[in-house]
Amino acid sequence: DVKVTQSSRYLVKRTGEKVFLECVQDMDHENMFWYRQDPGLGLRLIYFSYDVKMKEKGDIPEGYSVSREKKERFSLILESASTNQTSMYLCASSFTGYGYTFGSGTRLTVV
Amino acid sequence: GQSLEQPSEVTAVEGAIVQINCTYQTSGFYGLSWYQQHDGGAPTFLSYNGLDGLEETGRFSSFLSRSDSYGYLLLQELQMKDSASYFCAVRDPQAGTALIFGKGTTLSVSS
Repeated sequence: DVKVTQSSRYLVKRTGEKVFLECVQDMDHENMFWYRQDPGLGLRLIYFSYDVKMKEKGDIPEGYSVSREKKERFSLILESASTNQTSMYLCASSFTGYGYTFGSGTRLTVV
Repeated sequence: GQSLEQPSEVTAVEGAIVQINCTYQTSGFYGLSWYQQHDGGAPTFLSYNGLDGLEETGRFSSFLSRSDSYGYLLLQELQMKDSASYFCAVRDPQAGTALIFGKGTTLSVSS
């Protein structure tokens, strides 16, 4: 089974901090994605990557950046955390693009 | 742009059958997927329909009508453990293999 591991389950950060959310997958998938999930809004795409060092903006990239230096690792960076970035962050990977495998999520609180 | 509509909540009793509808608007279509998410858990892939018709996987079935831009997830012999949120999703033709998700339908199964 594909496994997608997110480094932290819960995080509390202060406003203005730089925050790194790490995601690692173990099945050699080219495609990796970062979503945030908020009540009533569903899952919204922040960034995605289809290859090492490649990245594409999703629907809500403002305030975020990403890094993909190795195929298995896709990092989401909050350059200067703000309270409106308090959310559940979900990482996913896929080979075909049709069946995603999600990580368990990181619940980030910015205070 | 792309959008998906699904009901926000559905309730049913154990043993019943429930249908969760999804209508979509997209400039290009590459199939309809369904995901299940239990409270506090990660979304998990349930099914994919690329062509019109019914796909069956155990107690769950998914249907697609491309001419109507419509699909549904059918859950039979409902069990308490089916209480979860269900999301339909389509590929974003402007975002490679990235998926756009509906806002989710919360299914509550009671005894």
